[in-house]
Formats: sequence, C-alpha cells, structure tokens
Amino acid sequence: DVKVTQSSRYLVKRTGEKVFLECVQDMDHENMFWYRQDPGLGLRLIYFSYDVKMKEKGDIPEGYSVSREKKERFSLILESASTNQTSMYLCASSLRDSSTDTQYFGPGTRLTVL
Amino acid sequence: AQKVTQAQTEISVVEKEDVTLDCVYETRDTTYYLFWYKQPPSGELVFLIRRNSFDEQNEISGRYSWNFQKSTSSFNFTITASQVVDSAVYFCALNDNTGGFKTIFGAGTRLFVKA
Repeated sequence: DVKVTQSSRYLVKRTGEKVFLECVQDMDHENMFWYRQDPGLGLRLIYFSYDVKMKEKGDIPEGYSVSREKKERFSLILESASTNQTSMYLCASSLRDSSTDTQYFGPGTRLTVL
Repeated sequence: AQKVTQAQTEISVVEKEDVTLDCVYETRDTTYYLFWYKQPPSGELVFLIRRNSFDEQNEISGRYSWNFQKSTSSFNFTITASQVVDSAVYFCALNDNTGGFKTIFGAGTRLFVKA
C-alpha cells in the first residue's frame, strides 16, 4: 500500500514564525503535491514537484516555498507565517507515468497561526 | 477553463437511505480523467474511482455506483443503503491535458448519515 506521512497532525505557530511541514512517501513516486484545504473552497494546489530539485507553482504559491532534496520527501515552508495561512495542509504523491494518475494523500496537518 | 462544481454543500440522510452526490465539470479537452475521493473524519483523502473520458460505462462497486454522462458533463456518485461509516466529505476532481499535472477539485459535499 502507498503510504504518505506528514510530520504533524496539528501545529500551532505564531505570526512571523518560519514553519516547516514535512511529507514523506514510500512508494517511489515521482510526483508530489502540496494542497491547502479550506471550507467551501475544496483543495487548492500550492506547489508540486515532478522530480528531485524540481518544483512548479500551483494556483496559490504566494507566501510559500518548497524543497525537494530527496525523491521521497517534499517540504512546504512558510517563510513568515500569517493568520490567513491557518488551514489544513495536505500532501499527495503519484506516479509520473501519467499526469492524470491517481494521487495518494497523507493524513493532513491542521495548522493554526495565532 | 477547468472547473468542477459540487452544488450540494451538505447532505443529511438516515441510515439505509440511498443518496446521490452530484458533480458537474467543465473542460475543453476531449481527453480527461474524473475522480472521486472520500475524506473521513480522520482527514486522509481516500481514492474511490478514476474514469477516463472515453469510458462512459457506469461503474458499480458494492454499495457505490457512478454515473458518467458526457452529454451533461456530469459524474454523479450514488451510495445505496447508506451506513454511518459513509459519513465523510466527498470530493469530485478533474484532470485534463490543459491542466498538466494539476488536478482540479470541487468544493466537496459533506455527507451525514444518521443512525
């Protein structure tokens, strides 16, 4: 079974702090994604990566950066957290074979910025 | 432009009722994929089904069935004889050639199944 894990289920940070969200997948997937989920808005893509050290902006990249130094790990960074970044963050991975392949999700990190 | 609309924000049913979750999509491509995911209270999205645009056959998997109609751009999901464990948020999603690696998700429908 595909396993996608995220470093924290719940996180509370203060405005201005630097925040790291880690995601690890164990299925040798090429593609990895970071989404945020907000009520009424569904999932919105922040960044994705299709290979080590490669990254592409999604629909809402402002205020975020990412890092992919190893194939299995994809990190989301909030350089200076703000209250409007309070949200549920979901990581996902998929095979590269097809850009339309099924994505497998982690359990999510609920981030609160005070 | 790609778009996925799930008009039902919340649905509440009593156990054993049948329930249909609606999904309407927009795309200019002739080749595309549609998905349904389930998000239980634990938070992790679980893949339910993927359907490509050339396969309009309806699919049944146990109590779950999907009705894909290209003529109305809809990909509806029906749960027969609902159970409390079906309570979750359900997302419909679309990926086409225009979007590349991007998958567009609908806003989700929260289903409450009461005992």
